Amino acid sequence: DAGVTQSPTHLIKTRGQQVTLRCSPKSGHDTVSWYQQALGQGPQFIFQYYEEEERQRGNFPDRFSGHQFPNYSSELNVNALLLGDSALYLCASSLRQGVNTEAFFGQGTRLTVV
Amino acid sequence: AQKITQTQPGMFVQEKEAVTLDCTYDTSDPSYGLFWYKQPSSGEMIFLIYQGSYDQQNATEGRYSLNFQKARKSANLVISASQLGDSAMYFCAMKTVDSSYKLIFGSGTRLLVRP
Repeated sequence: DAGVTQSPTHLIKTRGQQVTLRCSPKSGHDTVSWYQQALGQGPQFIFQYYEEEERQRGNFPDRFSGHQFPNYSSELNVNALLLGDSALYLCASSLRQGVNTEAFFGQGTRLTVV
Repeated sequence: AQKITQTQPGMFVQEKEAVTLDCTYDTSDPSYGLFWYKQPSSGEMIFLIYQGSYDQQNATEGRYSLNFQKARKSANLVISASQLGDSAMYFCAMKTVDSSYKLIFGSGTRLLVRP
């Protein structure tokens, strides 16, 4: 059973460009969340998708947008990249919602903005 | 406000010894879940252990146990018989109803196991 897979694993972009990161959730999981982890910090919640809709959003600008497809896979898009967007982007999947629902993470995409 | 605090940026432990990683949390929500994750240098977050706010007993998973002290709002991770492969970043995280079930992470503790 494949876990959460993310692509690409590494990416280098120039300031002002746009980037798309992809995530395939663990089999059977219907909820996908995205997190940004800056170097030396804990992950910060970006947004969450369930039933192809954005259900909640963290404190991130509109440059960050996403999408969930009918097969539950998801994309994270970042427009007008800034140097400060350089981070590890983690995707997590889970089955429905609850305080006891375990989230499974992918290996992340390391984005470097130069 | 929902918050997780990890006050130990780095810890050393001798191989085969036990180590405790500290975590305190802040929430007014009576229903919450506490999680510990391990993050090796590869970047993936690996789930270790879970404790629910209504659980009467401390959670255990193999060499991992969670010392849950609800009144003190602490959820310390205890790793017994440390192994070299335990060297990694460790994150404490929380989910609450008020936070709409998103994971709130602490700043992490880097653990280095010495041979």
